[in-house]
Amino acid sequence: NAGVTQTPKFQVLKTGQSMTLQCAQDMNHEYMSWYRQDPGMGLRLIHYSVGAGITDQGEVPNGYNVSRSTTEDFPLRLLSAAPSQTSVYFCASSRGAKNIQYFGAGTRLSVL
Amino acid sequence: DQQVKQNSPSLSVQEGRISILNCDYTNSMFDYFLWYKKYPAEGPTFLISISSIKDKNEDGRFTVFLNKSAKHLSLHIVPSQPGDSAVYFCAASTGNTGKLIFGQGTTLQVKP
Repeated sequence: NAGVTQTPKFQVLKTGQSMTLQCAQDMNHEYMSWYRQDPGMGLRLIHYSVGAGITDQGEVPNGYNVSRSTTEDFPLRLLSAAPSQTSVYFCASSRGAKNIQYFGAGTRLSVL
Repeated sequence: DQQVKQNSPSLSVQEGRISILNCDYTNSMFDYFLWYKKYPAEGPTFLISISSIKDKNEDGRFTVFLNKSAKHLSLHIVPSQPGDSAVYFCAASTGNTGKLIFGQGTTLQVKP
């Protein structure tokens, strides 16, 4: 059972480039979320989804887009990367709102 | 405004002693609280949770206490083991959105 899989594990971008961080889960979970972790800031919610076709903004959504076309996948898109988006990104999923969220191993992104 | 705060960035305890990690929150609508543990280069893993209708939940060496009037929760680890050395995050959620709001994290070091 793979759980939550994030790709790539590492990525270096130049300012202005675009990319998509992939997240897939094989647990048939309804809820999926994206967080970023920065030193001294903990994990901050970027976007989340309560089911296929439904997404909403979290605490720090600016500069990021998401879509949820299937239950399994929840990609995070950076349309024009900025140095302020240098961070470690985590994807998580859970069966329900009050269920445990399971996290992927993270994507470490550097924007130069 | 930080709705969930962990005011101690780090904590060092001796093996076998008790570790107490603290967390404060400001939003009285939070009704579900969780603690996550994170090792370097890994995603957070769930440790223990508590609903707002309870004031204590215990799981082996881990106990979470909730004081709603003080908007404060704490995680007790007894006895502490070197393998407990990690970053600990508290998180809170409200309603059925599945959104988690995290604190900044506390780095626990358990010395042999």
